[in-house]
Amino acid sequence: EAGVTQFPSHSVIEKGQTVTLRCDPISGHDNLYWYRRVMGKEIKFLLHFVKESKQDESGMPNNRFLAERTGGTYSTLKVQPAELEDSGVYFCASSQDGGSYGYTFGSGTRLTVV
Amino acid sequence: QKEVEQDPGPLSVPEGAIVSLNCTYSNSAFQYFMWYRQYSRKGPELLMYTYSSGNKEDGRFTAQVDKSSKYISLFIRDSQPSDSATYLCAMSAVSGTSYGKLTFGQGTILTVHP
Repeated sequence: EAGVTQFPSHSVIEKGQTVTLRCDPISGHDNLYWYRRVMGKEIKFLLHFVKESKQDESGMPNNRFLAERTGGTYSTLKVQPAELEDSGVYFCASSQDGGSYGYTFGSGTRLTVV
Repeated sequence: QKEVEQDPGPLSVPEGAIVSLNCTYSNSAFQYFMWYRQYSRKGPELLMYTYSSGNKEDGRFTAQVDKSSKYISLFIRDSQPSDSATYLCAMSAVSGTSYGKLTFGQGTILTVHP
């Protein structure tokens, strides 16, 4: 089966611009998660979708971040406007049953804001 | 204080050595304990998963959980150069707001040299 796909793999944007990251989960996985790792820090939870609904968005840093999951399939994470501190690696993961042990992670999108 | 503490290393060992990786945590609600391996430019890959206390063995890997001490370990026997990666501990609760949400340690960079 195809894994979790994320693109772009790398994005370099200027401060103040908008960037949209995309995640295609494993087919049939209702649960989709976004995580982020900023340099020197641990990977941190951003939010959790169950199908198209946001189950938990407690990790979203501020209202410059908007996540959507159209029709319960792929998901996008938009950062608008981007700030320097948004630089990091954004990971998407999916799971079938919502349990924390069943995650499959994508390779991540490396975002650099200059 | 971080919920999960992990020494980032780096840790360098000769091929064939036994490697010990550790994490401590503070949240008593954590019941699921996982170890992920992450190669450069890739997403985390689940290595071991343990529920509650005890030991679990899978080939050269052994995971231990001591809930009374809030301490988890991963042992790698007969380490190989291909084991060189970042090892991340992660944990989650059974229910409540943390269910399905992983809390990661910072990761330990391991290099096994021939």
